[in-house]
Amino acid sequence: DAKTTQPTSMDCAEGRAANLPCNHSTISGNEYVYWYRQIHSQGPQYIIHGLKNNETNEMASLIITEDRKSSTLILPHATLRDTAVYYCIVRAGNQFYFGTGTSLTVIP
Amino acid sequence: KAGVTQTPRYLIKTRGQQVTLSCSPISGHRSVSWYQQTPGQGLQFLFEYFSETQRNKGNFPGRFSGRQFSNSRSEMNVSTLELGDSALYLCASFDVSWGSYEQYFGPGTRLTVT
Repeated sequence: DAKTTQPTSMDCAEGRAANLPCNHSTISGNEYVYWYRQIHSQGPQYIIHGLKNNETNEMASLIITEDRKSSTLILPHATLRDTAVYYCIVRAGNQFYFGTGTSLTVIP
Repeated sequence: KAGVTQTPRYLIKTRGQQVTLSCSPISGHRSVSWYQQTPGQGLQFLFEYFSETQRNKGNFPGRFSGRQFSNSRSEMNVSTLELGDSALYLCASFDVSWGSYEQYFGPGTRLTVT
């Protein structure tokens, strides 16, 4: 059972920030939020993860609300190569629950 | 380090046959998970192995089975194939020892059942 809800699709202009929302209202206190992306049926690629603090790495930033019921993945300067399906995932123990993902299209 | 490898990359089978897929994790990773991806159902968790033991299992029929060897390589088997088993089967490995639980996915095996 997927524990996350994401919009089906989004567009973003090249060079602008892409903000991808995710709802995980039933998340438990010890469950992490992960983000992966998948480009055209390749294996999903890890982006970032967090528990309750905001996180940033070279690819993206992850903003988690204080009540942890939702989060936002931010790609600061989207490029055409960021066009992919983005999955917001809750990890419970050793099991990852993938949602249906958001298909992000970066428009030139 | 070499990434997660899966063989074969593409496979065509007939209904009723069985199939075995192979996954070699990243060197040093002892946990291997398998997922099925279909257009209708998305990515669904099949099972996870750690040190040759199945730790978690998704909601799939008993026709789907797996195992892990002492070198952490894993295989999954599907018996009595059905048309609905056509999917991309993904394997992922991670290194629990660092506590990060960052899964690395292989390229997948595309199974077509006719």
